[in-house]
Amino acid sequence: EVQLVESGGGLVKPGGSLRLSCAASGFTFSSYSMNWVRQAPGKGLEWVSSISSSSSYIYYADSVKGRFTISRDNAKNSLYLQMNSLRAEDTAVYYCARDIVLMSVWFDPWGQGTLVTVSS
Amino acid sequence: QSVLTQPPSASGTPGQRVTISCSGSSSNIGSNTVNWYQQLPGTAPKLLIYSNNQRPSGVPDRFSGSKSGTSASLAISGLQSEDEADYYCAAWDDSLNGLFGGGTKLTVL
Repeated sequence: EVQLVESGGGLVKPGGSLRLSCAASGFTFSSYSMNWVRQAPGKGLEWVSSISSSSSYIYYADSVKGRFTISRDNAKNSLYLQMNSLRAEDTAVYYCARDIVLMSVWFDPWGQGTLVTVSS
Repeated sequence: QSVLTQPPSASGTPGQRVTISCSGSSSNIGSNTVNWYQQLPGTAPKLLIYSNNQRPSGVPDRFSGSKSGTSASLAISGLQSEDEADYYCAAWDDSLNGLFGGGTKLTVL
């Protein structure tokens, strides 16, 4: 079964940092691009970042560019999101999602999400 | 405000057909494929339609998608109570950004 499990969410103060992880199983992780998508409480979905299978291509939303860094470790079947200089508006559930085709927003499946709360 | 525009709400009675629109521009829907996601309350989004009009295995054929120019639509026929959810369109933009519509909350009356 294809599965994605996020972890690392929690409460952090404004200006702080947090590192999210996404553990993949049930498929050849190194063959797929991966993504982070977030959803603020009661709001819609927002694409955050994409990384190609070999990390050669990386894209970020303008809202996180320069503060967030996406990375992956194909040997560990894991995706990461390093979040620095966090702001209240970064509060959201963060989902990792497998990309069927890079640069398509064709995501399947999605993880269950991890909640990040930025508050003093 | 999302670049891809969806109506915030839609509704229908059981058995009816409802459509949800998604309007974009030449740099996103006009030049890239559209995907649709269903998010049931309290759960992660699920792929519903990909490449404009293709259904993943397991998605009932009551769900269909279409695209014309810079707009796309999701149609749900034979509406059922379990279809009550939020629906999002999505497309890549040539500015190298992924885009989601603002979402449409579907209510089954």
